[in-house]
Amino acid sequence: AQSVTQLGSHVSVSEGALVLLRCNYSSSVPPYLFWYVQYPNQGLQLLLKYTSAATLVKGINGFEAEFKKSETSFHLTKPSAHMSDAAEYFCAVSGAGADGYNKLIFGAGTRLAVHP
Amino acid sequence: ETGVTQSPTHLIKTRGQQVTLRCSSQSGHNTVSWYQQALGQGPQFIFQYYREEENGRGNFPPRFSGLQFPNYSSELNVNALELDDSALYLCASSPEITDTQYFGPGTRLTVL
Repeated sequence: AQSVTQLGSHVSVSEGALVLLRCNYSSSVPPYLFWYVQYPNQGLQLLLKYTSAATLVKGINGFEAEFKKSETSFHLTKPSAHMSDAAEYFCAVSGAGADGYNKLIFGAGTRLAVHP
Repeated sequence: ETGVTQSPTHLIKTRGQQVTLRCSSQSGHNTVSWYQQALGQGPQFIFQYYREEENGRGNFPPRFSGLQFPNYSSELNVNALELDDSALYLCASSPEITDTQYFGPGTRLTVL
């Protein structure tokens, strides 16, 4: 069975500081991994995805994530936080079912706060 | 290109009632998935529709049902509403089953 663990339900950084949001996964097959962002009262927006090509994945808004198989991790980073980055971030793994369907399995989320 | 849209935006129902939520998939997408996101939690997979057939289901009771139409839009129906059904319901579409899922803005359901 596949699962995702996000370490830290709340992360607070200063504007301009490094953002690091942690995600560890469990998967019996090579995983597809995703980071989504959710702004208040909105749906989920895709930030980036890993699909077994390059291990360092660049996404939108200056975010990137590195797939590390040995550590079963897919941490999200951004060199310099902006106030507009304040949101909820979800890591997800794509899990294929026996019937051939494809569901996303999400972590519990990390709320990022950015203060001046 | 229009993204995934959902209606209504908000909905208030009472226990025991039935509700229908609607989703229009992104143009060219034949797969629709539905998720339930309770307050403070990550989304949970309800089911997936591919070319008008349900092809996968999560751990939700049968009172959660759905439909997908020939234009690939979809409905989520919930019967006999319970207080715990209060959540944000998210619809996601993808070009094919294995492709990236793109989410709509969600429908906030409150059950009183």
